[in-house]
Amino acid sequence: DIQMTQSPSSLSASVGDRVTITCRASQYIGTWLTWYQQKPGKAPEALVYKASTLQNGVPSRFSGSGSGTYFTLTISDLQPHDFATYYCQEYHSHNTFGQGTKLEIK
Amino acid sequence: EVQLVESGGGLVQPGGSLRLSCAASGFPFSKYAMSWVRQAPDKGLQWVSAVSNSDEKTYHADSVKGRFTISRDNSKNILYLQMSSLTVEDTGIYFCAKGNSEDWFDRWGQGTLVTVSS
Repeated sequence: DIQMTQSPSSLSASVGDRVTITCRASQYIGTWLTWYQQKPGKAPEALVYKASTLQNGVPSRFSGSGSGTYFTLTISDLQPHDFATYYCQEYHSHNTFGQGTKLEIK
Repeated sequence: EVQLVESGGGLVQPGGSLRLSCAASGFPFSKYAMSWVRQAPDKGLQWVSAVSNSDEKTYHADSVKGRFTISRDNSKNILYLQMSSLTVEDTGIYFCAKGNSEDWFDRWGQGTLVTVSS
C-alpha cells in the first residue's frame, strides 16, 4: 500500500507569513494528489487537485506543486481563517491520506 | 447546491452492528462514485470504502474488509455503509464524500459520529 508522509506535523506562523507543507508518497503517484483543508468540527474541503490545480473559489494565495513522490502546498500571505489542519491525499491507488499538518497562529 | 447528509451514527457495543446512510441531493447521484471516510477522535482522515456509480464495484480498506459493506440506492439517492463486528478502533466521525471524474473528493457531508464502547 502507498504511504503518504506529511511534514511538519504542526507549524506555527503569523498572519502575513508564507508557509510550505510537504507530502511524500512511498511510491510513484504521478500528479494524482489532492490537498484538503479542515477546520475544527467541520468536514474537509478540497483546495488543490491534480497536485497543482486550484479548486474553484480557492484564493490564489494557495499553490500546489510536485509530481511523482514529492509534493508541496504553499500558502502565501497567511490570513486568520487559513489556520486549520491540512491533509494531502493520493488518488492513484487507495485514497490514502497523509497524517495532517496543523497550522497554528504564532 | 450539492448536499450530503449522513445519519445512522450512535453508540454501539463492541461486536455490534450499525448502518449509516448518506442522503445526496443537488447533483446526478447515479453518475458519480461515492466513498466513506472516517476520522477517529483528534486523529487524521482514513478512507474506508468506495462504490462505483453503478454499484457494480466496491472497495474497502484492509482494516474494515469483511466487516463493512458499502452500497447505494440510485433510485433514492442514498449511500449506505453496513458495519458489523465493530471494535473500539472503529469509533469516529464518518463522512460520506462525493467523487468526481478524476476520483478525488469534491464534496463532503458533515459527518455522523459512531461510538463503539461497552
